[in-house]
Parts: sequence; C-alpha cells; structure tokens
Amino acid sequence: GQQLNQSPQSMFIQEGEDVSMNCTSSSIFNTWLWYKQEPGEGPVLLIALYKAGELTSNGRLTAQFGITRKDSFLNISASIPSDVGIYFCAGQVLIQGAQKLVFGQGTRLTINP
Amino acid sequence: DGGITQSPKYLFRKEGQNVTLSCEQNLNHDAMYWYRQDPGQGLRLIYYSQIVNDFQKGDIAEGYSVSREKKESFPLTVTSAQKNPTAFYLCASSSRGTSFSTDTQYFGPGTRLTVL
Repeated sequence: GQQLNQSPQSMFIQEGEDVSMNCTSSSIFNTWLWYKQEPGEGPVLLIALYKAGELTSNGRLTAQFGITRKDSFLNISASIPSDVGIYFCAGQVLIQGAQKLVFGQGTRLTINP
Repeated sequence: DGGITQSPKYLFRKEGQNVTLSCEQNLNHDAMYWYRQDPGQGLRLIYYSQIVNDFQKGDIAEGYSVSREKKESFPLTVTSAQKNPTAFYLCASSSRGTSFSTDTQYFGPGTRLTVL
C-alpha cells in the first residue's frame, strides 16, 4: 500500500529555534495536509496544500507541496512552548471515488525553555 | 458550536465484550471516517462512509463494524473478534464538494479504549 516516510521521528530544540520536518512518498498525492496532535486529543489541521509547488503560510508555519507531488515540508519559525506536540503529514488521494488520507508516522517536537 | 464530538473520552471493556464508540458531527458533512492510532504511530483507516446508508472497509476493518443511518452519526462497534482493540480511536468528517479543498478531513477529540 501507499506509505509516507516522515522525518525526523523526534526533535529536541531550544525555544526560539526554527524547526523543519518533511514527508516523502513513492506515490503521487492530490493534496498534502499537515496536522498537529496534542496528548489525548484529535489532530488539528494546520495547513492544507492543493497544488504542486504551492507554498503556504499560517502564522509562523510554512509548508510546501513538492513539485513532483510526492513530498512536502513544514517549517516552524521561532518556536514557542505551545508548539510542543506531534506533527503529522497526510497525503490525500482519490481511491474508488473516495478521498482517502495516508498518514506519516509523526514528528514529536519537544522544546526546552 | 459546529464540530465533531466523540463519546466517551475513555472506555474500558472486558475481553470478549463488544463496545460501541459514538461519533456525531453538526458540520453537515457527507463523509465520515474512523481511524485507529497506536502509540508512536500514525493513523490507520478502519471504515469510511461517503453517504447515508453506505460504508466501505478501510485498511484494518477486521473485528470492527459500523452503521450510517443518519448523516450526522457514524458509530463504530469494536467486536470481540478484534484481537488487539486497545487503542486511541479517532472519528473524522469531510464534505464532498467538487474541489479537493472541500474534502479536507477534520477530526474529533478521540476515544481511548482499554481492554482489561
């Protein structure tokens, strides 16, 4: 089946540092999504990317949809304590008439104040 | 407030019992989904429904069943046939528009099921 390789698996950074994480796949996706999940909660959508090459920002977050449609990255600038959590990428593809999501394994972000 | 609700937040079950997890949405979304999340892993699709009275198996449907009698509700039953049911269960929904932007999935807060 389709798989997404998300890296790094975990990051330990100092407050104020920039963060970068990415996802790659051997398959093409129509849409790339980035979610953040806090302990015991459901994932919250951060950024959605709909076109190859698209670069989108949401506050301190910036994400890009790779030109080959097989990869995406997420950057967080000037990290703050509330950025702590697990970040998931997800590729969306049409299968048998339904839009389905394939998730990466997640990147766990820990921030030292 | 519009959103997706899941209940209960925590659920404990004895081995051999069936249990039903609730998912309700008031976003007027046509499509609803159930995912399973295990520690340190991403989400895996159990079942999905694109329209009332219709649903399809996802990647890990064995040991689970669903129904979709109403647009706003998509309950998941974890049966005794599910060999390793302890996990975090997430429900999601999306609209079914003509552009990809309207198909974006939004998640509920999750139910943590523990089998004793």
